[in-house]
Amino acid sequence: EAGVVQSPRYKIIEKKQPVAFWCNPISGHNTLYWYLQNLGQGPELLIRYENEEAVDDSQLPKDRFSAERLKGVDSTLKIQPAELGDSAVYLCASSSGTGFEDTQYFGPGTRLTVL
Amino acid sequence: GENVEQHPSTLSVQEGDSAVIKCTYSDSASNYFPWYKQELGKGPQLIIDIRSNVGEKKDQRIAVTLNKTAKHFSLHITETQPEDSAVYFCAASETSGSRLTFGEGTQLTVNP
Repeated sequence: EAGVVQSPRYKIIEKKQPVAFWCNPISGHNTLYWYLQNLGQGPELLIRYENEEAVDDSQLPKDRFSAERLKGVDSTLKIQPAELGDSAVYLCASSSGTGFEDTQYFGPGTRLTVL
Repeated sequence: GENVEQHPSTLSVQEGDSAVIKCTYSDSASNYFPWYKQELGKGPQLIIDIRSNVGEKKDQRIAVTLNKTAKHFSLHITETQPEDSAVYFCAASETSGSRLTFGEGTQLTVNP
């Protein structure tokens, strides 16, 4: 079974430029998560989707970050404009969404460097 | 909101020794406590988890204990091997599918 797929794996941009990250969850997984991981720290949730609906986006900086999950499968996370402090690893995870034994499986992440 | 503290931040052991990592949490509503292993350049991988209705769970060389009254849980790795070297994160959440709040991580080094 294929795991969570993310692209690109690495991205280097200049500040004020836009950037987008793509995630394809495990087949059949209804719940999708975007986490932010700063260097030397644990991941922090940005947004959680159940199918197409964003059910937890309280930690998403909505002035510059946006996300979408059209058709309830793939998801895109966008930053516009990027700031120096956005340099981090952006992790996507998915879970079955069945409620019990709902393990979150993580992708390899996208490492963003903002110059 | 939930706050998870993890200790130690670094841990170095000799191959074959045991390693123990401890975490405390603040929200009594948390019922799910997973442990993830993260190797360099990879995403976190679940190694074991425990729910609040269980006090201890074991999977081969890995065990987790939970004290819900004291709000702390621990990861125990026995007979450590060099391939156990990685960063380990504890986390807590209300349910397995909800927001995970992670600790700061423990860099475990197993010396041959």
